[in-house]
Amino acid sequence: ETGVTQSPTHLIKTRGQQVTLRCSSQSGHNTVSWYQQALGQGPQFIFQYYREEENGRGNFPPRFSGLQFPNYSSELNVNALELDDSALYLCASSRGEGGTDTQYFGPGTRLTVL
Amino acid sequence: GEDVEQSLFLSVREGDSSVINCTYTDSSSTYLYWYKQEPGAGLQLLTYIFSNMDMKQDQRLTVLLNKKDKHLSLRIADTQTGDSAIYFCAGGDSGGYQKVTFGTGTKLQVIP
Repeated sequence: ETGVTQSPTHLIKTRGQQVTLRCSSQSGHNTVSWYQQALGQGPQFIFQYYREEENGRGNFPPRFSGLQFPNYSSELNVNALELDDSALYLCASSRGEGGTDTQYFGPGTRLTVL
Repeated sequence: GEDVEQSLFLSVREGDSSVINCTYTDSSSTYLYWYKQEPGAGLQLLTYIFSNMDMKQDQRLTVLLNKKDKHLSLRIADTQTGDSAIYFCAGGDSGGYQKVTFGTGTKLQVIP
């Protein structure tokens, strides 16, 4: 059974650019959640995808968007990058309708915005 | 929304027990989790407890839940240097979708 994987590991962008981060869910998991973890903080919930639809969203602006594919992998897209978007972005997968089961996290993508 | 609070730092000697504490505001959380994060790494699920339980033991880990005081603790017996990490308490609900709310984390330093 493979765990949650994320790519890339690290990424450097400049303010105003757009970025796409990718996540492959754990085998057997149909729900993916994305979190932003700023330095020295706990992770903050961005949104969750279930059956290719956004199933819930935290307090993040619309320039944060996502996709989930039929194989349950997912992308996080961030447009018009700001300096405060610099963070570790974590993906978590879970099984069960709407992700009511325990979430398992990937290693994260470290995004730096200059 | 849920607020989860933790103390920032804990230092213990190798072999001693560590107790990491957490308080939360939303009593509707169905699950309460403890995650471990080592430097530069993602989150590792250590253990979790359902909100209708008072205690759960898993090898060196003991989780205690006081629902009245909305207080959760993680006890690590015989703490080892490999336990040095940041520990996050988190609460999750199962209503519609599961949003997990994390605390700010407690940095555990184990002194040899």
